[in-house]
Amino acid sequence: GNSVTQMEGPVTLSEEAFLTINCTYTATGYPSLFWYVQYPGEGLQLLLKATKADDKGSNKGFEATYRKETTSFHLEKGSVQVSDSAVYFCALRNSGYSTLTFGKGTMLLVSP
Amino acid sequence: EPEVTQTPSHQVTQMGQEVILRCVPISNHLYFYWYRQILGQKVEFLVSFYNNEISEKSEIFDDQFSVERPDGSNFTLKIRSTKLEDSAMYFCASSERTGGLETQYFGPGTRLLVL
Repeated sequence: GNSVTQMEGPVTLSEEAFLTINCTYTATGYPSLFWYVQYPGEGLQLLLKATKADDKGSNKGFEATYRKETTSFHLEKGSVQVSDSAVYFCALRNSGYSTLTFGKGTMLLVSP
Repeated sequence: EPEVTQTPSHQVTQMGQEVILRCVPISNHLYFYWYRQILGQKVEFLVSFYNNEISEKSEIFDDQFSVERPDGSNFTLKIRSTKLEDSAMYFCASSERTGGLETQYFGPGTRLLVL
């Protein structure tokens, strides 16, 4: 079956620090991979996605590369801001299906 | 910008009671979903709904759960006889299409506490 594993949080960083949140997956077939973000009091928002091996998704300074050989989709940002404080969810979806399989989420706390 | 809304934001109920969680999907979307997240655990898929029918459901979505689109705007999740283990955050989502690269737009969630 499908599964997504994320690093445990919270991740605590100072402003302008480099961010990496690890995500690995197990899936049948060739899934699409996603990062969602949840700001306090809001719903899950799509941050970025990648649909095939070696694709790089990017948005708002965040990047993640679909690595089939390591079954990973790590989220990175070169310089975080206080406003990036949120919970980040890694997810996958198998081709032809609508169901998203999520990880547990990783809370990011950025201090000034 | 259009968004998915959910009511109530918080619900406390007694074990065995029925609850209805409400969602208003984005108006031109045709596919609707419910997910839940038990505290400290993963976000889990419950059910998807299209054309007034369930299109997919997970093992979690047993006979105590039902979904309905009672009118042109609302999409509801009913839990007939709540159990302690139903305590979770419930997320509604909607999308224009399905099966491909479409984005599912999520609501802010309803936090359900069963006592």
